[in-house]
Amino acid sequence: DAGVIQSPRHEVTEMGQEVTLRCKPISGHNSLFWYRQTMMRGLELLIYFNNNVPIDDSGMPEDRFSAKMPNASFSTLKIQPSEPRDSAVYFCASSRGDEQFFGPGTRLTVL
Amino acid sequence: GESVGLHLPTLSVQEGDNSIINCAYSNSASDYFIWYKQESGKGPQFIIDIRSNMDKRQGQRVTVLLNKTVKHLSLQIAATQPGDSAVYFCAENMDSNYQLIWGAGTKLIIKP
Repeated sequence: DAGVIQSPRHEVTEMGQEVTLRCKPISGHNSLFWYRQTMMRGLELLIYFNNNVPIDDSGMPEDRFSAKMPNASFSTLKIQPSEPRDSAVYFCASSRGDEQFFGPGTRLTVL
Repeated sequence: GESVGLHLPTLSVQEGDNSIINCAYSNSASDYFIWYKQESGKGPQFIIDIRSNMDKRQGQRVTVLLNKTVKHLSLQIAATQPGDSAVYFCAENMDSNYQLIWGAGTKLIIKP
């Protein structure tokens, strides 16, 4: 199995632009998680899906952030408009039990 | 609120020695605990887990100890190697939705 796949691996954009991060979970996993990691705040859970349905989005910072999971093999995290404080590494993880398998992350830099 | 926390942000250990990374949790209802390792530039990777009906579990060179009386979790790494250098996170599960509550992380540095 290729593991959790994320794209792009790196994204540099200007403030105000729309950013879309993509994730392909491991086949057969029914839960998907989006995390944000920064030096200041550590690893933060933004939202998680179970069977493609958002279960808890209380970690989403504000309305500029949105996430979708149209099917079991794909999810997106969108930031619109982006701001410099959104700069972080964004991880996607999937699971079918307790253990979560993480992707390599997307390093986002908003100038 | 209830959360998982780590005692030491950075731990330096001589190569070949044993390492012990500690973690405190506050929710006595948590029934599952897990340790992750995150190397620079990579996502967290599962190391070992333990359920609340156990107090010790061993893996390859790693042992997790759970003390429910004082709500304490530790990760022991035997004969540390340069490849063990990473940030180690503990996490707990408090419900059945597989949502993990993460600690702040401890950076392990291996001295040659």
